[in-house]
Amino acid sequence: TQLLEQSPQFLSIQEGENLTVYCNSSSVFSSLQWYRQEPGEGPVLLVTVVTGGEVKKLKRLTFQFGDARKDSSLHITAAQPGDTGLYLCAGHNTDKLIFGTGTRLQVFP
Amino acid sequence: DAGITQSPRHKVTETGTPVTLRCHQTENHRYMYWYRQDPGHGLRLIHYSYGVKDTDKGEVSDGYSVSRSKTEDFLLTLESATSSQTSVYFCAISVRQGGMIEQYFGPGTRLTVT
Repeated sequence: TQLLEQSPQFLSIQEGENLTVYCNSSSVFSSLQWYRQEPGEGPVLLVTVVTGGEVKKLKRLTFQFGDARKDSSLHITAAQPGDTGLYLCAGHNTDKLIFGTGTRLQVFP
Repeated sequence: DAGITQSPRHKVTETGTPVTLRCHQTENHRYMYWYRQDPGHGLRLIHYSYGVKDTDKGEVSDGYSVSRSKTEDFLLTLESATSSQTSVYFCAISVRQGGMIEQYFGPGTRLTVT
């Protein structure tokens, strides 16, 4: 069974701080995605990374795929209250996605 | 917006009763998925479908069945609901973009089994 472990599970920070969320697995994935979910809604895709070592930036969010394509990180610079939510990584496995355990981020003004 | 709706949005039912959740999509996507979401577990795949009458099991399929008689509808049935099936259920479709799959989710159904 392929598993994706995320850390930390919970994160509470002040507005303006930086943070990093990690997504780790013992399995290799052909691609990895990050989703954000707000209360009462379904997850929304943020980014897909495909190549080992790939780095993608989305405004203040930086996503990196590990060289071995087993892990990924999400770094947020100068967090804002609007970044609050549940962040989920997901590895691509044939026709399915394997989701990580999630990181719940709370950013206080 | 991938045109995905789920019904009902909330349901409370008693242990032992059958429950059916409906997922409806308007854009003729081939692949559809049912997940459950519980604290500390992220999203876990229950069943998925790759076409009309073509379905397969996910990692947590025990106690659930699915049917897809039309492209636009994917039904999830709890044969005899148990308290462990209290959860938030999400339906999703997937779109292939350059060899990768991207999933789009419905708004979810909150199910409480008492």
